[in-house]
Amino acid sequence: QLQLQESGPGLVKPSETLSLTCTVSGGSISSSNYYWDWIRQSPGRGLEWLGTVYYTGGTYYNPSLSSRVTMSVDTSKSQFSLKLGSVTAADTAVYYCARHPFTSHYFDSWGRGSLVTVSS
Amino acid sequence: EIGLTQSPATLSLSPGERATLSCRASQSVGAYLAWYQQKPGQAPRLLIFDASKRATGIPARFSGSGSGTDFTLTISSLEPEDFAVYFCQQRSHWYTFGQGTKLE
Repeated sequence: QLQLQESGPGLVKPSETLSLTCTVSGGSISSSNYYWDWIRQSPGRGLEWLGTVYYTGGTYYNPSLSSRVTMSVDTSKSQFSLKLGSVTAADTAVYYCARHPFTSHYFDSWGRGSLVTVSS
Repeated sequence: EIGLTQSPATLSLSPGERATLSCRASQSVGAYLAWYQQKPGQAPRLLIFDASKRATGIPARFSGSGSGTDFTLTISSLEPEDFAVYFCQQRSHWYTFGQGTKLE
């Protein structure tokens, strides 16, 4: 059974870069059938899709965040990563990694989520 | 960006009753709409995709309908485990979510 697990610092200072990693187990990150996503959730902004990475390294970012977001994949470690630069308190949220099938574009598997707080 | 507006914000019902949740898109999304269920401390779970197709393992009491800009999630007879927050999501243009309906 596929499992996704987020990891990374729970506290980031304003203006710094938020970095998270998602480890995929129970399935292949190199499958051509799936894309890998980052989604966040906060009381103020609700659920917000941040971007998508494919096993080849191709990426798609939310246009509203694209200047601050970078995603990458490391197939040898079965991991994909998120970097969000120049963070502010508004970036405080639970960050989820997720997966969507190539054919359907709906998020059918999610990690448990990682709370990241932006504060000095 | 396509906005999704869900109503009502909160729906108060009892087990055994029928629940009807609404999601309205700011422009047509065709049938490219999904519904998710989220319980406290958990990630969202995909229930319905392409407006009316049940995801794997989802009970038949959950059904979806609609197209274009107006969509409905119906739970025919509420079970105790159905009390949660429900979100809609469109995939017609990038991906956006509604703000949620809390079923209590």
